[in-house]
Amino acid sequence: QQPVQSPQAVILREGEDAVINCSSSKALYSVHWYRQKHGEAPVFLMILLKGGEQKGHEKISASFNEKKQQSSLYLTASQLSYSGTYFCGTVIQGAQKLVFGQGTRLTINP
Amino acid sequence: KAGVTQTPRYLIKTRGQQVTLSCSPISGHRSVSWYQQTPGQGLQFLFEYFSETQRNKGNFPGRFSGRQFSNSRSEMNVSTLELGDSALYLCASSRDYNQPQHFGDGTRLSIL
Repeated sequence: QQPVQSPQAVILREGEDAVINCSSSKALYSVHWYRQKHGEAPVFLMILLKGGEQKGHEKISASFNEKKQQSSLYLTASQLSYSGTYFCGTVIQGAQKLVFGQGTRLTINP
Repeated sequence: KAGVTQTPRYLIKTRGQQVTLSCSPISGHRSVSWYQQTPGQGLQFLFEYFSETQRNKGNFPGRFSGRQFSNSRSEMNVSTLELGDSALYLCASSRDYNQPQHFGDGTRLSIL
């Protein structure tokens, strides 16, 4: 049931774009995205519901492909503050449980 | 508005002992979830409580248990501790499972 994230890690220069993917083998009801900085707790970014799309931040957006049971997180013109580990969490249709992927470590260099 | 509070922040135990971790959710949040985080393993779901009832459980042995009180505060208990239980244990509260989760700073448990 655990969603699969890719890539596992990515290194970028400031100003470059990044895409993080999250896929499930089960039909999804919703996808959540969180960011965890080193030594801190995960912080909520956004939720995407079946049939809709929600943007949580100006340069961070996400899509939800219901046919493929996939979600992608887009980070545009990345800033140093975007560094951290990004987790997607999924709620499978019919299940009342949020399960997280293994995370994607994003490093932004000057 | 006060955030999620977890106590204690750090714990050192030896194998075979038991431990109780505490989580105070944000006021008004009835859902409390517990996660185990280890390097490279992401956030492993332990269980979720809603209005004092365990609504979901992850794939952890019965040594891991929890409960939720009428004020939504939650405790997690681990009995007969093993070396592999060393991890950061995170608690998250929300209005419901499909709402934004607010995480506490976690309890770092080390087993010697």
